[in-house]
Amino acid sequence: EAGVTQSPTHLIKTRGQQATLRCSPISGHTSVYWYQQALGLGLQFLLWYDEGEERNRGNFPPRFSGRQFPNYSSELNVNALELEDSALYLCASSLESGYYGYTFGSGTRLTVV
Amino acid sequence: KQEVTQIPAALSVPEGENLVLNCSFTDSAIYNLQWFRQDPGKGLTSLLLIQSSQREQTSGRLNASLDKSSGRSTLYIAASQPGDSATYLCAVEVDTGRRALTFGSGTRLQVQP
Repeated sequence: EAGVTQSPTHLIKTRGQQATLRCSPISGHTSVYWYQQALGLGLQFLLWYDEGEERNRGNFPPRFSGRQFPNYSSELNVNALELEDSALYLCASSLESGYYGYTFGSGTRLTVV
Repeated sequence: KQEVTQIPAALSVPEGENLVLNCSFTDSAIYNLQWFRQDPGKGLTSLLLIQSSQREQTSGRLNASLDKSSGRSTLYIAASQPGDSATYLCAVEVDTGRRALTFGSGTRLQVQP
């Protein structure tokens, strides 16, 4: 069974540009989550998507946004990139309820120069 | 606001030792607690999930316990091996309606051959 897959593995962008990160959940999982792991800040919750809707957002500005497609895959968009957006972005998925826990992907390393 | 603390921040042990990693959380009304492993620059691998009604979970050489009343969880690793070297993270989910995990900052484990 394929796990949570993320693309691209690495992404280098210039300050002010937009970045798009993609995630495919485990088959059967309907919820997708995004986390940011910046150096020195630990893992922080970004967004939760379920059934195509944004259900919860962490303490991040509106330039972090995303969407979930009918096949439950998701993309995270970061607009007007800032240097401090450089981080490992992790996607996770779960069944309809988080009762059985969360499965994470390998992440996308975003570097803003 | 839930805060999660992991002690120690780093640990170096010789191969074969049994060891205990600690995780404490400030809000005891958790929904579940999950232990993860992260190799450098990689995503998260789920190790054990303990739901709020459970006291412990075991998988191979790993055993995790949960004491909600004291706000503590421990991860016990038996007969450590060099391949266990990684950062171990605990994460708690407080409100399943929000699905946001709060992570500790991790314990970086080095097992010396």
